[in-house]
Amino acid sequence: QSVLTQPPSASGTPGQRVTISCSGSSSNIGTNYVYWYQELPGTAPKLLIYRNNQRPSGVPDRFSGSKSGTSASLAISGLQSADEADYYCAAWDDSLNVVVFGGGTKLTVL
Amino acid sequence: QVQLVESGGGVVQPGRSLRLSCAASGFTFSNYGMHWVRQAPGKGLEWVAVISYDGDNKYYADSVKGRLTISRDNSKNTLYLQVNSLRTEDTAVYYCAKDQQLLLGGGEPPGDYWGQGTLVTVSS
Repeated sequence: QSVLTQPPSASGTPGQRVTISCSGSSSNIGTNYVYWYQELPGTAPKLLIYRNNQRPSGVPDRFSGSKSGTSASLAISGLQSADEADYYCAAWDDSLNVVVFGGGTKLTVL
Repeated sequence: QVQLVESGGGVVQPGRSLRLSCAASGFTFSNYGMHWVRQAPGKGLEWVAVISYDGDNKYYADSVKGRLTISRDNSKNTLYLQVNSLRTEDTAVYYCAKDQQLLLGGGEPPGDYWGQGTLVTVSS
């Protein structure tokens, strides 16, 4: 059972906008930065969003992150078939002094 | 360009030990904290440990505390993970990853560069 809670699955059609939620607590998301990763089958995770809403160079602006209180969201607009992957949120937890990950959300493009 | 290359994985019997390495290049290794993250077959990402840029601070997941030791040699641009008393539940792909920001090591999740991973299989 993960400290950060994500829906196990999400789906959308090409061109649509989808959001993936990540719920935590005051000791992690509530006080620290949220990161988001994309994991394509058989490949290493790729950083999509860091420090809540910052995109590394090379990440399309179709991907955006936001945070409010103890929850965060990843939004993907203009959905493409190439976006079909697993998505994970993560944050530092001040109470545990560890990085905590969400359980992951499998995104299906219909 | 930034490269992280893990090595040292393989098939190991329960109770044995293993040392994983992560060779870094393309950035100033001594300026960045480094993480180990693992993924068991068919499961999600599990953070294992982080070490600060200077090696002074180390943090571990509760599930591995006492059995795993993270270390680094900045003169060799190499990160290590010593895994003792291996259990079947340690079977996973182990990734090393660098911090996104300078001079950290604890406080934020892994950043923009990850290795391709090394598979550790614990089996008798």
